[in-house]
Amino acid sequence: DTGVSQDPRHKITKRGQNVTFRCDPISEHNRLYWYRQTLGQGPEFLTYFQNEAQLEKSRLLSDRFSAERPKGSFSTLEIQRTEQGDSAMYLCASSRGDSSYNEQFFGPGTRLTVL
Amino acid sequence: AQSVTQLDSQVPVFEEAPVELRCNYSSSVSVYLFWYVQYPNQGLQLLLKYLSGSTLVKGINGFEAEFNKSQTSFHLRKPSVHISDTAEYFCAVSSYGGSQGNLIFGKGTKLSVKP
Repeated sequence: DTGVSQDPRHKITKRGQNVTFRCDPISEHNRLYWYRQTLGQGPEFLTYFQNEAQLEKSRLLSDRFSAERPKGSFSTLEIQRTEQGDSAMYLCASSRGDSSYNEQFFGPGTRLTVL
Repeated sequence: AQSVTQLDSQVPVFEEAPVELRCNYSSSVSVYLFWYVQYPNQGLQLLLKYLSGSTLVKGINGFEAEFNKSQTSFHLRKPSVHISDTAEYFCAVSSYGGSQGNLIFGKGTKLSVKP
């Protein structure tokens, strides 16, 4: 299976700790997206990359959040000094990015619980 | 800016009955429209999409949706549901001709199919 993968699938941490999530997109996809999904809500866009360039960031992405895609392949999302409000499912998606419409393929998500 | 309203948070239905999940959107520009399905502890899977052309679009698993521009709606339908259709369904929009980063999701509709 060569779909989008995310690691870890679950993360439990204490408030104030830093956490890092990884996303591996489909290999030929040059666009990569991060979304956050809280309980009872739809996914909310956080940020996206075209190759290694971070082209768009949502207002939801506070200073404690940072995302990287250093070689245009996998991406990491780091949350510093976690708060209980950061508890959510973090979804990664990738797409080809070579036309006006590009289907986004989603990974299984990383569920973060901040105690 | 775009927004999506899913009018029903939960829809219970008996097996083999028809179902309609309602979605309305708001946008000042032309949009692409999508329906995604999310099974428990999994990522999102694309059911169907409207890009242009015929307003009736057919997707996977027997689902279809109709784009109504005058009513700004994109309701999802299935003539006969199965137990396996129990999942959460999300309507989403993205603008074309502009940012390629954003999918804007509704809050979701939980479909519960009872025997």
